[in-house]
Amino acid sequence: QSALTQPPSASGSPGQSVTISCTGTSSDVGTYNFVSWYQLHPGEVPKLIIYEVNKRPSGVPDRFTASKSGNTASLTVSGLQTEDEADYYCSSFAGNNNLVFGGGTKLTVL
Amino acid sequence: QLQLQESGPGLVKPSETLSLTCTVSGGSINLYYWNWIRQPPGRGLEWIGYIYNRGETSYNPSLKSRVTISADRYKNQFSLSLRSVTAADTAVYYCAKENAVWFGEFGFDPWGQGTLVTVSS
Repeated sequence: QSALTQPPSASGSPGQSVTISCTGTSSDVGTYNFVSWYQLHPGEVPKLIIYEVNKRPSGVPDRFTASKSGNTASLTVSGLQTEDEADYYCSSFAGNNNLVFGGGTKLTVL
Repeated sequence: QLQLQESGPGLVKPSETLSLTCTVSGGSINLYYWNWIRQPPGRGLEWIGYIYNRGETSYNPSLKSRVTISADRYKNQFSLSLRSVTAADTAVYYCAKENAVWFGEFGFDPWGQGTLVTVSS
């Protein structure tokens, strides 16, 4: 299985919006609505911020939104704040009780 | 509040077996999916596998030949065994829960703090 494809980096200024893509195939993202997104700050535990394509767990700000079209899922962070600077990973169910992560995107708040 | 804590050796020799345990407090491991995930230094996350309910397991196809995940329900722990390790298995290893009926549905939450395992002679 191959990792989902994410851009290595993304950036934006405080207050701006940035979108991170996550491209898979018809065997994962394209078929299943079990796409999740995680935020990783250095030295901290990964934090679930999106599940089932576009649902936010309790406590996650509504500045984090997500969607899916075809084989590509997207995470948008609106109203960028300095604390949003982190690594972001997508994941998708890939059939046969298998799961694949993306390669990760480092978000820099300029 | 559910908490997960990984434990095990931080250094393993090449060709030997990496063994880690995840101790769960604040909830029972008798339900839902209990996962192992790793992150090699400077690289992305990789799902290793899970154990579910009555002991059903599923593994990443790329690791399946070397991995076993088991559970001790009396101790409320689940464990990872990775055989024939090489330097490529050096990573931070996390345990994590998925509170779902269908695997992958709700995402991994919570996670343990992670433990660094280095494979070196």
